[in-house]
Amino acid sequence: KQEVTQIPAALSVPEGENLVLNCSFTDSAIYNLQWFRQDPGKGLTSLLLIQSSQREQTSGRLNASLDKSSGRSTLYIAASQPGDSATYLCAVRAAGNKLTFGGGTRVLVKP
Amino acid sequence: DADVTQTPRNRITKTGKRIMLECSQTKGHDRMYWYRQDPGLGLRLIYYSFDVKDINKGEISDGYSVSRQAQAKFSLSLESAIPNQTALYFCATSDYDRQGKETQYFGPGTRLLVL
Repeated sequence: KQEVTQIPAALSVPEGENLVLNCSFTDSAIYNLQWFRQDPGKGLTSLLLIQSSQREQTSGRLNASLDKSSGRSTLYIAASQPGDSATYLCAVRAAGNKLTFGGGTRVLVKP
Repeated sequence: DADVTQTPRNRITKTGKRIMLECSQTKGHDRMYWYRQDPGLGLRLIYYSFDVKDINKGEISDGYSVSRQAQAKFSLSLESAIPNQTALYFCATSDYDRQGKETQYFGPGTRLLVL
């Protein structure tokens, strides 16, 4: 059974620092990995999707890496801003089109 | 306008009551999903549907049922609600691009409290 873990569960940084969010998964037989952002009272917004054959994806200040063999992905957010405060979730897609989510990392960027 | 909408956004009900959560989408996607989110557990898949005639159980389908009334509508029912079904429920749709990449699009969520 696939298990996805995100550590830490919560993170607080001063504005301007780089954010590093970790995601690990137990079964490396995945099709892709996706990072989402969740704001309180709102749904999930997809940030980046990395195919199993890729090692990283970039979008603006966001960069996500994937090491499938070791079961790890890292989301980097450069020069954090208070507007980056949210919960960040990673999810892996495997056989049967099943998407398994981690528990999320709650991020607070302090002005 | 939101592409994936959920109604109601918030609901309080009592143990034993039947409740239906509705999801509508304007994206024209065939695939739709229902998840529940509990603190510290992430999202867990309840049911999914690949088209109107296709319904599949997810990892936590017990106590739930679904109906795919049309391509655009996918409803989740709790036949007899119990307190441990208190959670945040998300509907999602997905599509594939030409490279085979699937992306999911989520609704805003329905917060359910079962007393």
